Amino acid sequence: NAGVTQTPKFQVLKTGQSMTLQCAQDMNHNSMYWYRQDPGMGLRLIYYSASEGTTDKGEVPNGYNVSRLNKREFSLRLESAAPSQTSVYFCASSERPPSTDTQYFGPGTRLTVL
Amino acid sequence: AQSVTQLGSHVSVSEGALVLLRCNYSSSVPPYLFWYVQYPNQGLQLLLKYTSAATLVKGINDFEAEFKKSETSFHLTKPSAHMSDAAEYFCAVRTKTSYDKVIFGPGTSLSVIP
Repeated sequence: NAGVTQTPKFQVLKTGQSMTLQCAQDMNHNSMYWYRQDPGMGLRLIYYSASEGTTDKGEVPNGYNVSRLNKREFSLRLESAAPSQTSVYFCASSERPPSTDTQYFGPGTRLTVL
Repeated sequence: AQSVTQLGSHVSVSEGALVLLRCNYSSSVPPYLFWYVQYPNQGLQLLLKYTSAATLVKGINDFEAEFKKSETSFHLTKPSAHMSDAAEYFCAVRTKTSYDKVIFGPGTSLSVIP
């Protein structure tokens, strides 16, 4: 099993450009999450999807949109990138809450917005 | 609202010495608590978790943590540090009222000195 995979691993954008970060999991998990990691701030939840067909805002949703394409895939879109969105982005998944609480993380996408 | 604080953004220990990483939380309901570890250029992985069973929780690689309700703490310890323990450690809390989401602390970077 590959676990949680993310593409791309690295990306450089210019201000105003758009892009989509892809995430897929092969563990048949119901819940999926998008976080951003910034120095000294830990991980902050951007959006999450408790189950296929549902999405909800997390702590820092502004400037982002998400799509739960199917049970396996959860994408994050930046419509008009800003330098403040320079960060490392992690996708994670877990079984349907609250039966189990462990989240499994992907390797991350390092995004730089110039 | 729940929150997590980690005392010390950076901790250095000698190889073979005790590792102690501090975590305090606030929560209005009994929490679930987690420690995750992030090795350089990787995603996070679960070290251990507390889900209201035994207050002393054992995890992987000889790490353990003790839940102390009176102190609202969940400190992580390891009797003898190894060079491979050098990483970033995150404490996280999930409350039973928001079981879809986890709040992460800012992280503690552990260095191990040979």
